[in-house]
Amino acid sequence: KAGVTQTPRYLIKTRGQQVTLSCSPISGHRSVSWYQQTPGQGLQFLFEYFSETQRNKGNFPGRFSGRQFSNSRSEMNVSTLELGDSALYLCASSLAGRTGTGSYEQYFGPGTRLTVT
Amino acid sequence: GQQVMQIPQYQHVQEGEDFTTYCNSSTTLSNIQWYKQRPGGHPVFLIQLVKSGEVKKQKRLTFQFGEAKKNSSLHITATQTTDVGTYFCAGIIQGAQKLVFGQGTRLTINP
Repeated sequence: KAGVTQTPRYLIKTRGQQVTLSCSPISGHRSVSWYQQTPGQGLQFLFEYFSETQRNKGNFPGRFSGRQFSNSRSEMNVSTLELGDSALYLCASSLAGRTGTGSYEQYFGPGTRLTVT
Repeated sequence: GQQVMQIPQYQHVQEGEDFTTYCNSSTTLSNIQWYKQRPGGHPVFLIQLVKSGEVKKQKRLTFQFGEAKKNSSLHITATQTTDVGTYFCAGIIQGAQKLVFGQGTRLTINP
């Protein structure tokens, strides 16, 4: 089975621009979560999508948004980029089900390294 | 808010020494998971504990889930340089469909 894939792997953007990151989960996984990782802040949860609906949301400003498609692929968008948005953005998929059933074991992708200059 | 606290944040040991990281939650957890992230890599699932008081072992790694299902620990016996990385715990808050990660413990080893 193919693992979680994320594109692009590296990205350099300028302040004020916007960016879209893509994540393809493991086949059969309907839950996709996004995390921001910076050296001093560990793994910060952004949001989780299940069956095209946002199920959980972290404490990030509205500039961070996401969506999930019917094939479970997910995209994350950051608008009006700030220097502090420079980070590794990780996507993870799991078999977590609709009502808390299934396994929440997270399978992470390699991440997208975003640099904002 | 619902938090999972992990200590210590950093740990440096001599190769061959033991290492332990602790995870504490303010609320009861349905289960606890542990992940390892090697430098430059992404987190990789190690194990999941579900039952109160559960203890699981993977070679030199011992994982425990507290009786009250609010805390957990990961103990590595006789560390090796391959153990270097950041160890994260993550818990499902009981009654909520939400996985909450601890801040991680970064382990470095002096060979």
